[in-house]
Amino acid sequence: GDSVTQMEGPVTLSEEAFLTINCTYTATGYPSLFWYVQYPGEGLQLLLKATKADDKGSNKGFEATYRKETTSFHLEKGSVQVSDSAVYFCALLSSNTGKLIFGQGTTLQVKP
Amino acid sequence: EAGVAQSPRYKIIEKRQSVAFWCNPISGHATLYWYQQILGQGPKLLIQFQNNGVVDDSQLPKDRFSAERLKGVDSTLKIQPAKLEDSAVYLCASSPGQWLNTIYFGEGSWLTVV
Repeated sequence: GDSVTQMEGPVTLSEEAFLTINCTYTATGYPSLFWYVQYPGEGLQLLLKATKADDKGSNKGFEATYRKETTSFHLEKGSVQVSDSAVYFCALLSSNTGKLIFGQGTTLQVKP
Repeated sequence: EAGVAQSPRYKIIEKRQSVAFWCNPISGHATLYWYQQILGQGPKLLIQFQNNGVVDDSQLPKDRFSAERLKGVDSTLKIQPAKLEDSAVYLCASSPGQWLNTIYFGEGSWLTVV
């Protein structure tokens, strides 16, 4: 079945460092891909999305490109801030079942 | 536009007790989801409604969990009797339609079973 695999955390970075969180997926059909963020004590917030191959989603300085050839949707940010500390979830929305399937989440901790 | 509303935000109960969570989706959203998120894991779909009908409840532990969306708007998720392993965040989400639409989440209901 469809699945999402994220790099294991926690990821610890210094402020202004470059961030990459890897995400790969397995899916049939043409899924849409998402990054959600969960700040401490809060629910999931949609960070960005891409609905077809080669689309780039971006928001708040974060970017991710839908790569069908490598089945990947890696999250990147050029300069992280302490306020970016959160858990990041990669997810796919199956075009066959309509189900939203999550990866296990990657915790990011940014130190001043 | 108001987001997905959930209540209560926090609940602590003893094992074998019952608990109910309420969700009001974004206005006009036909599809409503309940997810369970155990600490350190990604959310897992429990049940999906399309209007007032169940689309998928394959991962709902039906011996103890139940959910309804009688009028196709708000929904209630009940656990009876609760077990220790039910300690989790219960996330409600909604989307405009069943397929290929962005899903929006509420802030979650945090359950601790002691």
